Amino acid sequence: EDKVVQSPLSLVVHEGDTVTLNCSYEVTNFRSLLWYKQEKKAPTFLFMLTSSGIEKKSGRLSSILDKKELSSILNITATQTGDSAIYLCAVESMSGSARQLTFGSGTQLTVLP
Amino acid sequence: GAGVSQSPSNKVTEKGKDVELRCDPISGHTALYWYRQRLGQGLEFLIYFQGNSAPDKSGLPSDRFSAERTGESVSTLTIQRTQQEDSAVYLCASSLVWGRGELFFGEGSRLTVL
Repeated sequence: EDKVVQSPLSLVVHEGDTVTLNCSYEVTNFRSLLWYKQEKKAPTFLFMLTSSGIEKKSGRLSSILDKKELSSILNITATQTGDSAIYLCAVESMSGSARQLTFGSGTQLTVLP
Repeated sequence: GAGVSQSPSNKVTEKGKDVELRCDPISGHTALYWYRQRLGQGLEFLIYFQGNSAPDKSGLPSDRFSAERTGESVSTLTIQRTQQEDSAVYLCASSLVWGRGELFFGEGSRLTVL
């Protein structure tokens, strides 16, 4: 059974701090790893990673995949209160001809002013 | 529409009743997914539709759950004889083509079973 584990489960920091969120996975037929930010109900897409070692960057957020270690990290620098959210990691895999997306439980990030 | 639309946004029902949740994906998106998110937990895959192919129902938790999709448009998720453990937010997502990783999510339907 495919498994995605995120750590830490929750994190409280102050504005300006840098945070690193972790995602590890065990899946067969890996295709890609995705990061989402969930503030209220609907997760919004952040990054999709398919190749190991290539950093994706968007403003203060960046992410990188390590296929050897079966993991990914999401970095947020100079955090702001608006970064407070649940960050979800999902891994896309193939089961036969069916595409499957397995989500982790998320990391709850709280950024205090 | 501009985004994925779900209705109702909130539904309170009594144990044993049937409920129907609706999802209207982004126009032109061929893939549609249903997920369930219980309080404090991650997203749990329920079912996946891709174009006119047979849906992947592997995530449906019991035979009380069913889903339909007409072509590449609206989908309905039906829960029969609801139980208290069915209480959750039911999220629908769509993507442009099969194999693309970027899912666009709706705001979800919060179901409370009393």
